[in-house]
Parts: sequence; structure tokens; C-alpha cells
Amino acid sequence: EVQLLESGGGLVQPGGSLRLSCAASGFTFSSSAMSWVRQVPGKGLEWVSGISGNGGSTYYADSVKGRFSISRDNSKNTLYLQMNSLRAEDTAVYYCAKDHYGSGSYIFDYWGQGTLVTVSS
Amino acid sequence: DIQMTQSPSSLSASVGDRVIITCRASQSISSFLNWYQQKPGKAPKFLIYAASSLQSGVPSRFSGSGSGTDFTLTISSLQPEDIATYYCQQSYSTPTFGQGTKLEIK
Repeated sequence: EVQLLESGGGLVQPGGSLRLSCAASGFTFSSSAMSWVRQVPGKGLEWVSGISGNGGSTYYADSVKGRFSISRDNSKNTLYLQMNSLRAEDTAVYYCAKDHYGSGSYIFDYWGQGTLVTVSS
Repeated sequence: DIQMTQSPSSLSASVGDRVIITCRASQSISSFLNWYQQKPGKAPKFLIYAASSLQSGVPSRFSGSGSGTDFTLTISSLQPEDIATYYCQQSYSTPTFGQGTKLEIK
């Protein structure tokens, strides 16, 4: 059974940093591209960042480029999102999502339960 | 970025009704269109990919169609457990989602 478990969310001040983690199990993690998708509470979904299976290729939405960094540790089956220079508009539930075809198709077949990031003073 | 527009934004229907949700892309995306269901407080659930392919385990009352810029999600006979918000998403380029369609029971 595929499982994705996010952690690391919380309250942070504007300009601060936070690192999210997503622990994966139930599939061959190193063979699967992964993404982070966020959702402002009560609002729609926004893709944030993606990474290839071997970590060699990374992709970002314009809204976070230069501030967020995605990475993965395939030996630990864990995906990360380092978030710097956080803004109020980054407040959202952050989901990690598994790629359906493994190769960066941007079709998300499994999602974690989400972790809430609140940016506020 | 490709803009995705869903209609209606909300919909009220009765159990057993046929429900149709539409999704329009701002440019042609071929069949690179996916649908998700999200219930309150839960993560999105993957329903349909490539416009019309049903994900394993999804009830057959769900179906998708379309290509180019216009797509539809159809629920052939609405069930109480289908109450949720539905999102379309294009995977033709940098992924973007529709704003969602909230489905309620009449």
C-alpha cells in the first residue's frame, strides 16, 4: 500500500524558513518523480515543485522560484521541501504527491495527508 | 501558464442524477487532462487521467471525455459518497488546476 506522510509544518514568521519532509513507503521511491502541491485553506490547488526520481532534475512554480528548494534522499525514501524567505501568501496545506508514471508526467496518483504551514507574525 | 476554468463552480443534484462538470483549457492540451476528487479535510483522490482513463478502483459511474480545450467529468448516477469538490488539472506543461466544482446533494 502506497503511503505518503508529510511532517514539518507549523507557524513561522514572515521571512523565516521551514523544511517539510514526506516519508514514502509501499512503492519504489527512487523510480518515481515526486511533487509538492499546496492548497490555501478553502481554496484551490497549486503545484509548487517537482523532482525526478534520481533527484537530478528539479522544477518550480514561478511563485516560489529562488525561495524554495526541493530535494530527496532515496536511501531514506524521503522527499523534502526547504522553504526560505516565507511570505504570508505561502500559508497553505502542503501535500506531497507521487507521479503516476514515475517519469515526471505530472499526473498525481497518490497524495499525503498534508501539513499546514502558517506564515504570520 | 495554461489556465483551467471549470463550470459550474458549485452544483446541487439529487441522488441518482447524472452530473456533468466541464473544464476548459486556455490553449490546446491534447488529452493531458486529469480529474481529482477532494472531500472536506482530506487529500485529493486521483480519479481519471488522460481525459478518459479511469484509475484502478474508481467506480465505473465516473467517466471523462474531451480533447483539445474542452473536457467533461460525468457521474452517471450520483451517490451520497460522491459529495466533494472536483478539480481538473492539465499535465501538458507546468501543471495547473481548475478552481474546483463543489458538488452538493439537493
